[in-house]
Amino acid sequence: GAVVSQHPSRVICKSGTSVKIECRSLDFQATTMFWYRQFPKKSLMLMATSNEGSKATYEQGVEKDKFLINHASLTLSTLTVTSAHPEDSSFYICSAKFMRVGTNEKLFFGSGTQLSVL
Amino acid sequence: RKEVEQDPGPFNVPEGATVAFNCTYSNSASQSFFWYRQDCRKEPKLLMSVYSSGNEDGRFTAQLNRASQYISLLIRDSKLSDSATYLCVVILNTGGFKTIFGAGTRLFVKA
Repeated sequence: GAVVSQHPSRVICKSGTSVKIECRSLDFQATTMFWYRQFPKKSLMLMATSNEGSKATYEQGVEKDKFLINHASLTLSTLTVTSAHPEDSSFYICSAKFMRVGTNEKLFFGSGTQLSVL
Repeated sequence: RKEVEQDPGPFNVPEGATVAFNCTYSNSASQSFFWYRQDCRKEPKLLMSVYSSGNEDGRFTAQLNRASQYISLLIRDSKLSDSATYLCVVILNTGGFKTIFGAGTRLFVKA
């Protein structure tokens, strides 16, 4: 299947710093990528939809100035957690929408980033 | 009402049992449907796409009923390795795309 690479897999940072997470579709172009966060034993919560060449669409309750999303190319979306605080500690996962003529669309996920803010 | 609802679980079954997962969605703009499995602290992995005609992959069968807005997943002859959380996922198209996850149903298969 298609591959989505997410980096870094783990980040430990001090409160107040910014952290950038990258999500790359390695063998396909993704006009749409999604960013989620997941707390322990909870389901994934959609944070925002990232659209190549346009502004991201944020879900209700997600601060767009805190979680900056950039989708500058068809294979890369980034999520920057600005001025991170301990409550931002979570598992962040991206996914990319895979579409190919003659097949139904699918979602492929990155391997996730565990963010720990001290 | 949640946009995507799944059986709360957990399901505890012996090896070899048949397990059925149910999922309902509320938004008629839902256009694509999937079952994913997620192991603890790992990313979700695609198990099956779900089509109205139904689809089968080995021991797994998925079904979609658009009229009832209902999705199902059947696992036959369950294995220990099937233990995971099963997520029902819907993609909406309401002018823009949006993915909605069910809360997941935890499955424990025991020897």
